[in-house]
Amino acid sequence: KNQVEQSPQSLIILEGKNCTLQCNYTVSPFSNLRWYKQDTGRGPVSLTIMTFSENTKSNGRYTATLDADTKQSSLHITASQLSDSASYICVVTSNTGGFKTIFGAGTRLFVKA
Amino acid sequence: DTGVSQNPRHKITKRGQNVTFRCDPISEHNRLYWYRQTLGQGPEFLTYFQNEAQLEKSRLLSDRFSAERPKGSFSTLEIQRTEQGDSAMYLCASSLPTGSHEQFFGPGTRLTVL
Repeated sequence: KNQVEQSPQSLIILEGKNCTLQCNYTVSPFSNLRWYKQDTGRGPVSLTIMTFSENTKSNGRYTATLDADTKQSSLHITASQLSDSASYICVVTSNTGGFKTIFGAGTRLFVKA
Repeated sequence: DTGVSQNPRHKITKRGQNVTFRCDPISEHNRLYWYRQTLGQGPEFLTYFQNEAQLEKSRLLSDRFSAERPKGSFSTLEIQRTEQGDSAMYLCASSLPTGSHEQFFGPGTRLTVL
């Protein structure tokens, strides 16, 4: 069964600290993996996208990694800011025929002053 | 055109009523997607269109749900005889059919069924 599992479910950190969010997937065949940021009451916004051949990609203070062999990805946030408080959703797309994009349940991040 | 827009942003209705939501995608995007999202969960796929053709529907899309994209531009999602379990955020996204297929999301319509 195609699944995307994220951990932790929620996380509280102090402003300025770093954190790492995890994503494990079983989607096959694999096409790409995206991390989205979703502020409360808003639609998700893409942070990074990685294909099979990419193992790291950065977007400002966000760095995503991908290990296609173990089917794991992480999102590392450096020097967190209050505005980083949001849900972070891992999304995996398969390149099989038909539509197959699987969303994780997200990690809810709270950054406190 | 700065992004995907959805209307209304919020809808409160009584159980048994019909509701209709509208999505206007990014103008050059010919793929359009509908998702449902409940609190603490990721978006769940409902259906998607390429131009005016509805290419796939999730089993979540019961007979009370119908989506249309008559001219291949904006889309509507109608829910008939709403139930309390329909309360959720309904998200629309659009993408190009080539390249990375990155989906750009709208702000969503929050539905509350009383």
